[in-house]
Amino acid sequence: AQSVTQPDIHITVSEGASLELRCNYSYGATPYLFWYVQSPGQGLQLLLKYFSGDTLVQGIKGFEAEFKRSQSSFNLRKPSVHWSDAAEYFCAVGGTGGSYIPTFGRGTSLIVHP
Amino acid sequence: DAMVIQNPRYQVTQFGKPVTLSCSQTLNHNVMYWYQQKSSQAPKLLFHYYDKDFNNEADTPDNFQSRRPNTSFCFLDIRSPGLGDAAMYLCATSRGVGDIYEAFFGQGTRLTVV
Repeated sequence: AQSVTQPDIHITVSEGASLELRCNYSYGATPYLFWYVQSPGQGLQLLLKYFSGDTLVQGIKGFEAEFKRSQSSFNLRKPSVHWSDAAEYFCAVGGTGGSYIPTFGRGTSLIVHP
Repeated sequence: DAMVIQNPRYQVTQFGKPVTLSCSQTLNHNVMYWYQQKSSQAPKLLFHYYDKDFNNEADTPDNFQSRRPNTSFCFLDIRSPGLGDAAMYLCATSRGVGDIYEAFFGQGTRLTVV
């Protein structure tokens, strides 16, 4: 069964600082990996996704993520955080072979200090 | 150009009074999902449709049912809402075939049970 672990429940950064949100996955084959962002009271918006190819993927709003198969990780990064980035971030895994349903981690809440 | 639309955004219902949440999509996607998300938790899959094929998660309560009368619409029926059913309900769609399983989410319906 596929699963996702986001070890950090809350992350606090200062505006302008760099950010890294951790995500580890468990999946028996090549995973499809996603990062979603959820602002308060809103649905989930896709930031970026990895299916194959280049392991460093670029997303919207200046985010990027790196797929590391050896570490079963897909960490999300941003070089300079803006106050508007404060939100809940969810990592998700899905894949082929019938497991196309995205499975979500519990989320990391990002707090941005001015 | 909203692609996945959920109505209403906010729903208040009485304990035990049936309630229906609706979702429509303009993407012509094969798969539609319903997720339940409680505060500070990951979205939890309730069920999904692959075309007309209904798939219920094993731990989804019998109180929850769904209908998909056509490709564009999907409904979540809660027969007798309890206080524990208060949550954000998220509808999502995905193409579900080929290589791209990215899920597109609606903005959610916040259900309050009084």
